[in-house]
Amino acid sequence: GAGVSQSPSNKVTEKGKDVELRCDPISGHTALYWYRQSLGQGLEFLIYFQGNSAPDKSGLPSDRFSAERTGGSVSTLTIQRTQQEDSAVYLCASSSVGDGSYEQYFGPGTRLTVT
Amino acid sequence: AQSVSQHNHHVILSEAASLELGCNYSYGGTVNLFWYVQYPGQHLQLLLKYFSGDPLVKGIKGFEAEFIKSKFSFNLRKPSVQWSDTAEYFCAVNARAGYSTLTFGKGTMLLVSP
Repeated sequence: GAGVSQSPSNKVTEKGKDVELRCDPISGHTALYWYRQSLGQGLEFLIYFQGNSAPDKSGLPSDRFSAERTGGSVSTLTIQRTQQEDSAVYLCASSSVGDGSYEQYFGPGTRLTVT
Repeated sequence: AQSVSQHNHHVILSEAASLELGCNYSYGGTVNLFWYVQYPGQHLQLLLKYFSGDPLVKGIKGFEAEFIKSKFSFNLRKPSVQWSDTAEYFCAVNARAGYSTLTFGKGTMLLVSP
């Protein structure tokens, strides 16, 4: 079946511009997560959606970052007034209860470069 | 707060050598444990996971890991590596309380020379 998809795969933007990154989770997965992978920092949690509950935004690094999930499916991560330190690969994952492990399935990521 | 420590940032091995990558975690409750792998140019894939039962778990491509609760460890092993195992390996943990976010280690880059 289809996995998690993300778009665009690569995004180059100028410092100060806003960007939107999109994630399509696996159909039927109720939980959706955003992570950031950057050199020297590994993978960092950003934000998490589960069903109709309020999202867990505890990982967002600043108020320039926001995300929404429409209709319990597609999610958009928005970064306003991008800075060079925002350059990273942004990963989306989704999960369901599955076998009880709540395994997360990752998308290919969006590589963001801020010039 | 959870944390995950991977002992080695870079490992270089020759083909057929044995591999052990260390992973320790810090968390006060019950956890699920995962190893993910990222091959060059590819996205993260699950290698293996532990969430209950036998603490020795077997994953894809001949990898295995052992959960030692008393040591808060979940080391990854493979008896004989291949050139195609060259990749970055990430240990991760989440709280066993339904859905919860993953906390990752910083990763170990494995380079296997032919």
